[in-house]
Formats: sequence, C-alpha cells, structure tokens
Amino acid sequence: GAVVSQHPSWVICKSGTSVKIECRSLDFQATTMFWYRQFPKQSLMLMATSNEGSKATYEQGVEKDKFLINHASLTLSTLTVTSAHPEDSSFYICSAGGLPLRVGQYFGPGTRLTVT
Amino acid sequence: QQQVKQSPQSLIVQKGGISIINCAYENTAFDYFPWYQQFPGKGPALLIAIRPDVSEKKEGRFTISFNKSAKQFSLHIMDSQPGDSATYFCADALNAGGTSYGKLTFGQGTILTVHP
Repeated sequence: GAVVSQHPSWVICKSGTSVKIECRSLDFQATTMFWYRQFPKQSLMLMATSNEGSKATYEQGVEKDKFLINHASLTLSTLTVTSAHPEDSSFYICSAGGLPLRVGQYFGPGTRLTVT
Repeated sequence: QQQVKQSPQSLIVQKGGISIINCAYENTAFDYFPWYQQFPGKGPALLIAIRPDVSEKKEGRFTISFNKSAKQFSLHIMDSQPGDSATYFCADALNAGGTSYGKLTFGQGTILTVHP
C-alpha cells in the first residue's frame, strides 16, 4: 500500500537554530500535503496545507515566517522550523492528500522535535 | 473554528468487551467522518470512515454508527483486545469541492486501555 515517510524521525536542536523536516510519498503522487502539530496527550492541529508548486495555506495563528513549507514536487514537502524555541518542541506529522486519494488516508510516522 | 467534540477522554475495558467512543460535530456541510488509531510515538492510522448517507458501517470488529439528525457518530470496537489499547481520534472533513478539500478537524482523542 501507499506509504508516507518522514525524516528525521526525531531531532534535537538548540534554541535559535532552524530544522527541516521532510515528508515523502513513496509510491504515489500527492498533489496536496497537510502538516499537523501534536503536543503531548493532545489532539492533532492542522498547521498548513501545501499544494505542489504553489504557496502553502496556513491556519489561523500559525506563523508562516516561522514555519516555512515547500512543496516542490509531487512526492516531497518540507517543513522548516526557523529560529526554533523550546515551545516549538512537539510531534510534527504530515499527511498526503489530493485526488484520487481518500481524505486523510495516509499519514506519516511523525517527527519528534525537541528544542533545548 | 468548527469543532468535533469527543468523549470520553479515557476508557478502560476488559478483554472481550465493547469499547464505545462518541463524537459530535457542528457543521452539517461536512460529509466525511473518519476514525483514527494512534499508538505512542506513531502517526495516526485510518481505521474506518463513513459518509452521512449511511447510518452504519462495519469493518471487522470496528463499526461506525452515524446519527445525522443528532449530528453524532460513534465508534464501536467489538471483542476488544489488549492490542487495541491506543488513542483514538474522530475527525470530520469537507470532502467534495471547496478550498478545504481534505482538511481534517480532529476530536480531542480517547485513550483506550483494554485489560487482559
């Protein structure tokens, strides 16, 4: 079946640095990628929606200059957390979407970010 | 933002019992209602989903009951097993057309523990 991968699976970075998280669709083309953030023992909150070749659409309250999303190809989307702070420590999960995929069918395994 | 209200927050069931998790949605325009299972440190996995034109859908031990007039839907796990112990999320989405295609709104989550 279709697989969505994320890299890295976990990362530790120092406050003030930037970190990039990759989301790949391994055997299918995803016209749309969704990025979610999940704090411990909480639900998934949508951060942004990215469509291949166009600018991402950010949810209300999400800083677009801090969370840079690039969706340069049909199989790769990246999320860059710029000038990371400890409060950015979270579990980041991507999901592939777009026809002919079922809505919310494929989620990545997540990336645990810890900012020290 | 439209919400999906999920209950209970946590649930303890004996092996072989029935686990029931409930969700209530607000926006009658939403037309896709999935359930997800998430293990610690992993991304969510789609379990089963339903559209509002049917009142029930069953896949193996998992059943969704949908009450359109009450704007409620529930997940029933029959013959619950210790391996079912996980966090379960309901969600809703506007699937057809519109700019929010594929965008999921998640419930708060239910931590299910199945005792052997």
